[in-house]
Amino acid sequence: EAGVAQSPRYKIIEKRQSVAFWCNPISGHATLYWYQQILGQGPKLLIQFQNNGVVDDSQLPKDRFSAERLKGVDSTLKIQPAKLEDSAVYLCASSLGQMMNTEAFFGQGTRLTVV
Amino acid sequence: TQLLEQSPQFLSIQEGENLTVYCNSSSVFSSLQWYRQEPGEGPVLLVTVVTGGEVKKLKRLTFQFGDARKDSSLHITAAQPGDTGLYLCAKAGRGAQKLVFGQGTRLTINP
Repeated sequence: EAGVAQSPRYKIIEKRQSVAFWCNPISGHATLYWYQQILGQGPKLLIQFQNNGVVDDSQLPKDRFSAERLKGVDSTLKIQPAKLEDSAVYLCASSLGQMMNTEAFFGQGTRLTVV
Repeated sequence: TQLLEQSPQFLSIQEGENLTVYCNSSSVFSSLQWYRQEPGEGPVLLVTVVTGGEVKKLKRLTFQFGDARKDSSLHITAAQPGDTGLYLCAKAGRGAQKLVFGQGTRLTINP
């Protein structure tokens, strides 16, 4: 079965520019997560979708970050404008979300460098 | 704010040695997951522990969930270079509850 697909793998932008990341979850997975992982740290949850609704976005910097999951499948995460401290790996994950202790499957991530 | 504290943050040992890493919280969790992340990849689930006192084994890895369901440990016997990676614990829940990770233990096994 195909895994979680993310693109691009790498992105380098200047501060104040905009950037968008794309995620295609595993087919049939209702829950989709976006995480930010700064070098040397654990993943930090930015936003969680259940189908096309937002379950939690309490740690999403909403003045510059936005995310959507149209039709409850693919998702995009956008940063506008980017700051130096946004340099990190952005991980997308998906899970069935219907059962207790469901496993989350991760993509390879997008490594963002803001210069 | 991290709900899960992992220790040690870094660990470097020789091949063949044993080691234990820990995941602690002040809150009771319904269950806990352990993931391993290799460079350039996303985390991969190793195990889920649900019942207080539960012990699960995965080859040379032994996972334990504390009796009070506030802590967990991962013990590796006879570590190998292939065990190198970032070990993450995560609070798991049923349904749509959010999945929150600790800061991880970066493990290096030297040949």
